[in-house]
Amino acid sequence: DAEITQSPRHKITETGRQVTLACHQTWNHNNMFWYRQDLGHGLRLIHYSYGVQDTNKGEVSDGYSVSRSNTEDLPLTLESAASSQTSVYFCASSEQPQETQYFGPGTRLLVL
Amino acid sequence: GQNIDQPTEMTATEGAIVQINCTYQTSGFNGLFWYQQHAGEAPTFLSYNVLDGLEEKGRFSSFLSRSKGYSYLLLKELQMKDSASYLCAVVDSNYQLIWGAGTKLIIKP
Repeated sequence: DAEITQSPRHKITETGRQVTLACHQTWNHNNMFWYRQDLGHGLRLIHYSYGVQDTNKGEVSDGYSVSRSNTEDLPLTLESAASSQTSVYFCASSEQPQETQYFGPGTRLLVL
Repeated sequence: GQNIDQPTEMTATEGAIVQINCTYQTSGFNGLFWYQQHAGEAPTFLSYNVLDGLEEKGRFSSFLSRSKGYSYLLLKELQMKDSASYLCAVVDSNYQLIWGAGTKLIIKP
């Protein structure tokens, strides 16, 4: 069965460190998305990609970057982790940008 | 700006019916999604509306009025496993999803 996975599931890091969160999907979807979810807020879009070598900034992209070298993977990098980036991060993919998004299990990140 | 409004929390009784409302103001409209999210888990797809009216899927139904910028999710015959957050999301003119903060539904026996 097709799926979308994220790793690690939990991560503790220190302020200033670089962190990379992995996202891998076997749906063969061109469209992939990274969100963060915080209490009191909806899912907020960080970056998204509509295909290989395509990346776009979302609503809350400052301090984050992504790269898309193949269809299956969209890693999210925090260049220099800050306490404000403590959150739950979800990766998602869809067949078309406006169609149903399928979510990974999430990564809980704590920045100390 | 773009805005999606949902009640923060609702409480209902097992076996009853509950309606979760969502109002939106977005730049364009290309459909509305409802997702369910259990605590500590990922959101999962429930329904999609792009035309006005009611879409029924088992115990769950979703309604849309584009002229009023309004949708609701109706859950019938509530079960304890329906305790979750329900997220409303609108596809805007750029085909991006704008998410509400979610409604936490508590089911009591």
